[in-house]
Amino acid sequence: GAVVSQHPSWVICKSGTSVKIECRSLDFQATTMFWYRQFPKQSLMLMATSNEGSKATYEQGVEKDKFLINHASLTLSTLTVTSAHPEDSSFYICSARVTTGGSYNEQFFGPGTRLTVL
Amino acid sequence: GENVEQHPSTLSVQEGDSAVIKCTYSDSASNYFPWYKQELGKRPQLIIDIRSNVGEKKDQRIAVTLNKTAKHFSLHITETQPEDSAVYFCAARRYNFNKFYFGSGTKLNVKP
Repeated sequence: GAVVSQHPSWVICKSGTSVKIECRSLDFQATTMFWYRQFPKQSLMLMATSNEGSKATYEQGVEKDKFLINHASLTLSTLTVTSAHPEDSSFYICSARVTTGGSYNEQFFGPGTRLTVL
Repeated sequence: GENVEQHPSTLSVQEGDSAVIKCTYSDSASNYFPWYKQELGKRPQLIIDIRSNVGEKKDQRIAVTLNKTAKHFSLHITETQPEDSAVYFCAARRYNFNKFYFGSGTKLNVKP
């Protein structure tokens, strides 16, 4: 099956700093990736859709200047949490949509990144 | 947009019993419905999915049923085992749309 990796798996940072999270599709090309946020014991909340070569599409209520998304290649999307604050602490998960082959239209998730802002 | 509701939020069953989780959706144009299993601290994993041209799909102990008219779909797990304990999410999506809309999740606890 398709494999999606995320890096780092966890990060602790001080309030006011910026953190970059990478999402890679390892064995397929992904023109579209998604970024989710998950609070403890809650569902996945879609933050934005990352499109290769174009601007990301943000969901209502998500600050695009705070959560910068770059999808510079067919296998890499990055999420940068700028000027992080404790309320940004969460589990961030990316996913990629397969658009060819037997897994067409399926969505594969990365392992997630646990962000803790002190 | 789409609104997916999932019930129950928690479900506790005895090992060997069956478990059923139900979801409803609002957008009649949605035509792809996957189910994901998420263990604590891990990524969601696709366990089964169904498309709108099919009413039921089965994979060993897991089955999904879809009622397009009523706009609801259900996950059925038979002969539950302790390793089935996890949080299960349903989702819905339109064919040509990228967005997946997730249910709120069901925490399944299978007691040995």
